[in-house]
Amino acid sequence: AQSVTQLGSHVSVSEGALVLLRCNYSSSVPPYLFWYVQYPNQGLQLLLKYTSAATLVKGINGFEAEFKKSETSFHLTKPSAHMSDAAEYFCAVSDPSFQKLVFGTGTRLLVSP
Amino acid sequence: DAGVIQSPRHEVTEMGQEVTLRCKPISGHNSLFWYRQTMMRGLELLIYFNNNVPIDDSGMPEDRFSAKMPNASFSTLKIQPSEPRDSAVYFCASAKGTEAFFGQGTRLTVV
Repeated sequence: AQSVTQLGSHVSVSEGALVLLRCNYSSSVPPYLFWYVQYPNQGLQLLLKYTSAATLVKGINGFEAEFKKSETSFHLTKPSAHMSDAAEYFCAVSDPSFQKLVFGTGTRLLVSP
Repeated sequence: DAGVIQSPRHEVTEMGQEVTLRCKPISGHNSLFWYRQTMMRGLELLIYFNNNVPIDDSGMPEDRFSAKMPNASFSTLKIQPSEPRDSAVYFCASAKGTEAFFGQGTRLTVV
């Protein structure tokens, strides 16, 4: 079985500050890992994905994440937060067959001026 | 492409009534997922189809829930009879390869 754990249901940062959203995974097979963003009353949108190529993955809107097998982590970062980054962020895991995409509980990012 | 299209966007129904949620996946996508999102339980995978065939329905909460995919361009999620605890936002997502595209969801309220 595969699962992800997102540490912190809420993260607050100031505009311009570093964003760090944490995700740890559990998987019995090499995982594929994803970060999605959800804006209010919207569906989820893919930010970036790791599918066993480069361990540092760059996504949209300046976000990136690093796959660390030794730490079973896939944390999401952005050097400088914008007000428009305020949203809910979900980490997800699947196996390479992509037959079951399992999401974490989400982290709400709050950005203050 | 218009993306994944779900209908209706909002549904309010009385307890005991049948509810049918609809999804049109992106053309050419061969995978389809149904998810339920609530504050308490987050995003739960209900069922997954591949090439119109249900592969994993272990997330379907009860026999009151059923899902079909009669062809590559249409899927339904049915709840019969509905109960207040079914109130949630239901998302459909389709995928080809390793990127899932989500619809905007159906907000279901059962009173």
